[in-house]
Amino acid sequence: DAGVIQSPRHEVTEMGQEVTLRCKPISGHDYLFWYRQTMMRGLELLIYFNNNVPIDDSGMPEDRFSAKMPNASFSTLKIQPSEPRDSAVYFCASSSSYRGQGTQYFGPGTRLLVL
Amino acid sequence: GQQVMQIPQYQHVQEGEDFTTYCNSSTTLSNIQWYKQRPGGHPVFLIQLVKSGEVKKQKRLTFQFGEAKKNSSLHITATQTTDVGTYFCAGPGSGTYKYIFGTGTRLKVLA
Repeated sequence: DAGVIQSPRHEVTEMGQEVTLRCKPISGHDYLFWYRQTMMRGLELLIYFNNNVPIDDSGMPEDRFSAKMPNASFSTLKIQPSEPRDSAVYFCASSSSYRGQGTQYFGPGTRLLVL
Repeated sequence: GQQVMQIPQYQHVQEGEDFTTYCNSSTTLSNIQWYKQRPGGHPVFLIQLVKSGEVKKQKRLTFQFGEAKKNSSLHITATQTTDVGTYFCAGPGSGTYKYIFGTGTRLKVLA
């Protein structure tokens, strides 16, 4: 299995631009999570999906952030407009409710820098 | 809301010394997970503890879940340079599969 795939791996953009981060979970996993990691705030859960349905988006910082999961093999996290304080590493993770008891498998992350 | 704290925040040890990180939750946990993140990498699952007082070992790593299921610890015996990284504990939040990650302990091993 290829593991969780994220793209792009690095993104540098200017304030005000739209940023789209992409994630392909492990095949067969029914849960997908988006996290943000910064030195100041640590690893924060932004939103998670179960069977493509958003379950809890209470961690999404504000309306500039949105996430979708149109099918079981693809999810996006969009920031529009981006701001310098959005600079962070964004991780996608997936897990299976059928095995592994909630073990989360993380992707390599997208390192976002907003200038 | 639920909080998961870890101490210490940073730890520098000489290679061969032991290391322990402690995890404390503001609420009782049904289980606890531990992850390791190498510098520049992503968190990787290490283990899950479920039972009160449970102790599990993985080679030089010993994991313990407290009797009250509100705290946990990870102990590394005779650290090696390959142990460098940040160790996170994670406890379930509201919703079965939502996990709250601890603040992490960053370990540096000096050769």
